[in-house]
Amino acid sequence: AQSVSQHNHHVILSEAASLELGCNYSYGGTVNLFWYVQYPGQHLQLLLKYFSGDPLVKGIKGFEAEFIKSKFSFNLRKPSVQWSDTAEYFCAVNDDSSNTGKLIFGQGTTLQVKP
Amino acid sequence: DSGVTQTPKHLITATGQRVTLRCSPRSGDLSVYWYQQSLDQGLQFLIQYYNGEERAKGNILERFSAQQFPDLHSELNLSSLELGDSALYFCASSTRGRGGVNTEAFFGQGTRLTVV
Repeated sequence: AQSVSQHNHHVILSEAASLELGCNYSYGGTVNLFWYVQYPGQHLQLLLKYFSGDPLVKGIKGFEAEFIKSKFSFNLRKPSVQWSDTAEYFCAVNDDSSNTGKLIFGQGTTLQVKP
Repeated sequence: DSGVTQTPKHLITATGQRVTLRCSPRSGDLSVYWYQQSLDQGLQFLIQYYNGEERAKGNILERFSAQQFPDLHSELNLSSLELGDSALYFCASSTRGRGGVNTEAFFGQGTRLTVV
């Protein structure tokens, strides 16, 4: 069965620090990859997605992620975080061959940015 | 606003009871997905419907069931509720479901279920 692993469960950074959140998945076939963000009390919002093509994808709010197929990884990065980035971040994988679009989520990483 | 509407936003009920959660997908989306978010299990896929038919099933308990109606809205029925069913239940919709172009899922605000 597919699984998604997010290594950092809780990250605390000061404003302007750089961010990298790790995500690894366990499926060898073609996958679609996503990062979602959940602000306190809100629904999941898509930050960025990878389906194919350039493995470096840019998303909203200055976030980017790099797909490294050989490492089964899709790490999320941001050069300089802001207090408003405080939220929970979820990496998710969709098995492209299933044609269903269902997502397998990682456990999430809580990011706390100190002003 | 994602365009996915879930009602109610909050639900408090007693053990043993039955509740129905409702989801209206984005206009034009044929696929509806249900997810459960709990502290111990994280975000887990429950079930997917595509144009009225069950398309994929995840870790959904037998006490839970879902359906998608001709107008494409979906309902998740939870019965014989237990304390451990307390969670945030999300609905998502997409155009995905039977091949075709890649697209992402859009999530609703969720229904927070508390079983007491």
